[in-house]
Amino acid sequence: GENVEQHPSTLSVQEGDSAVIKCTYSDSASNYFPWYKQELGKRPQLIIDIRSNVGEKKDQRIAVTLNKTAKHFSLHITETQPEDSAVYFCAPHPPNTGKLIFGQGTTLQVKP
Amino acid sequence: DTEVTQTPKHLVMGMTNKKSLKCEQHMGHRAMYWYKQKAKKPPELMFVYSYEKLSINESVPSRFSPECPNSSLLNLHLHALQPEDSALYLCASSQGTGDGYTFGSGTRLTVV
Repeated sequence: GENVEQHPSTLSVQEGDSAVIKCTYSDSASNYFPWYKQELGKRPQLIIDIRSNVGEKKDQRIAVTLNKTAKHFSLHITETQPEDSAVYFCAPHPPNTGKLIFGQGTTLQVKP
Repeated sequence: DTEVTQTPKHLVMGMTNKKSLKCEQHMGHRAMYWYKQKAKKPPELMFVYSYEKLSINESVPSRFSPECPNSSLLNLHLHALQPEDSALYLCASSQGTGDGYTFGSGTRLTVV
């Protein structure tokens, strides 16, 4: 099955700084790479995703980059704001299984 | 409608009780999921339904029984639970099994 590792487990930045979270996976057949954000006491929400035929995708202050050869993808958040404080999960998808396995999560704290 | 609705939001049940969790979506999604989440942990997959058929059961104890009455509804029947089953139970749906999830707000279950 898929082994997923996320680093770092916690990340503290000053408001306005950038944050990067890396996700490493084991199943080379994985072809869909989403990131979810979960604020305290709330549901996980899909914030950005990328498919295996694309190397990078941006949506305003967030971006995801994919290195299929090395089997890792990363979440980049620029100009961080206090409302970015949350737990972020990666969840690489092997194809056609529906078996979505989440990484252990990264707790991001943005200090005003 | 772009939401997944879960009821109830909170549930306290005794170890001899029988209760059901309900999940509903009207986005035309063909895949639906049950996840269990403990505090400070990632969501753990329990069941996957694809086109109303159970496609994955992650070796979940039989005291949890899923049901998919139609393409919009997903239930989780609970019977003879243990205190360690106390957790946040999340329902999710996706267009297909290789697409991003929309999560419901969850049911916070306490077994006493």
